[in-house]
Amino acid sequence: GQQLNQSPQSMFIQEGEDVSMNCTSSSIFNTWLWYKQDPGEGPVLLIALYKAGELTSNGRLTAQFGITRKDSFLNISASIPSDVGIYFCAGQLQAGNMLTFGGGTRLMVKP
Amino acid sequence: DAGVTQSPTHLIKTRGQHVTLRCSPISGHKSVSWYQQVLGQGPQFIFQYYEKEERGRGNFPDRFSARQFPNYSSELNVNALLLGDSALYLCASSFDGGSNQPQHFGDGTRLSIL
Repeated sequence: GQQLNQSPQSMFIQEGEDVSMNCTSSSIFNTWLWYKQDPGEGPVLLIALYKAGELTSNGRLTAQFGITRKDSFLNISASIPSDVGIYFCAGQLQAGNMLTFGGGTRLMVKP
Repeated sequence: DAGVTQSPTHLIKTRGQHVTLRCSPISGHKSVSWYQQVLGQGPQFIFQYYEKEERGRGNFPDRFSARQFPNYSSELNVNALLLGDSALYLCASSFDGGSNQPQHFGDGTRLSIL
């Protein structure tokens, strides 16, 4: 089945640094989403992207939908300790249908 | 407004037993999806329901079944539990099945099989 390759698997950065993570697929998706999951909780939606080439921001977060429809990236600027968690990309072939998730990027921030 | 609510939050079962997990979607949402998240991995799609009809099924055995009720809440049933069924089971809801309305997740049910 479809798989999403998410990298890096983990990152350990200093507070204030910028972060970049990406997601690639062997198949096309028509929607890309980025979620953050904290321990003991479900994934929380950060950004949703619906058009190839779209660049969308949510505070210090910026995500882009790759022009080929096979990739997406998420940037976090000026990281803070509460950014710690696992970030997941998810692709959706058709609106409203199943999500295919990447393996996650674990972000650790050193104060 | 309340988000997606799931019950129970934690559950311990033994091999061979069956389990029923419950999910209430966000008010106004008509579509519910179920995902299994094994420790250290991303969620894997199990089922999607919209207006009480199954819309999609992932690559899971027939021991897994689900249904959606007239009030749009949903149950996930797993029979003949195996050790490998130990996971976080997540429910997600969305407004409907055909628009650009993203899925929002509950905090899941942590199922442990002994």
